Amino acid sequence: DTEVTQTPKHLVMGMTNKKSLKCEQHMGHRAMYWYKQKAKKPPELMFVYSYEKLSINESVPSRFSPECPNSSLLNLHLHALQPEDSALYLCASSPLTHYEQYFGPGTRLTVT
Amino acid sequence: GEDVEQSLFLSVREGDSSVINCTYTDSSSTYLYWYKQEPGAGLQLLTYIFSNMDMKQDQRLTVLLNKKDKHLSLRIADTQTGDSAIYFCAENGGDSSYKLIFGSGTRLLVRP
Repeated sequence: DTEVTQTPKHLVMGMTNKKSLKCEQHMGHRAMYWYKQKAKKPPELMFVYSYEKLSINESVPSRFSPECPNSSLLNLHLHALQPEDSALYLCASSPLTHYEQYFGPGTRLTVT
Repeated sequence: GEDVEQSLFLSVREGDSSVINCTYTDSSSTYLYWYKQEPGAGLQLLTYIFSNMDMKQDQRLTVLLNKKDKHLSLRIADTQTGDSAIYFCAENGGDSSYKLIFGSGTRLLVRP
């Protein structure tokens, strides 16, 4: 089973709200990723976790705060977002960081 | 530098073969990938090829790799309307192998 799940599917939030995105995988993968995808563009890497530790932050603003509570779960905490942060947020996992990545269905985020 | 290029659009008739092309620049990439994205969905890993291989076949999909020319192609045999989607090629960026470098995506339209 190569399934990555993400909740919620859609999220609308105001610029002063705090919300969280959740990602889960049960494939025993030890690397997990957050990507941001704008319309008609490829995904852009935001964060990489390896063995539950943050290994890469691609210069993402601090209003995005990732968390990896255990090897199966990855969260993305959102606070004080801007309308330009509206996008599809994709989670992915891989056995290790240099192996093939499996993506979830994404969370469509709209910031009003 | 790292760069992956794809043509933007391909239209084929149902039942014909489709060939989606990709060029990349990083000769140190170890894996090259093809992902499919349907509207509003995440990325589905279709297939991938190790850089020391020339060809890989998986049911209707054939991947050809010309490492000398840094050219990758995906052939879909007997293309169906359900194959209509955006196809991304990606490389893992050599020394930065945690990171997938995506092309801009090719939109495949299958006409009945």
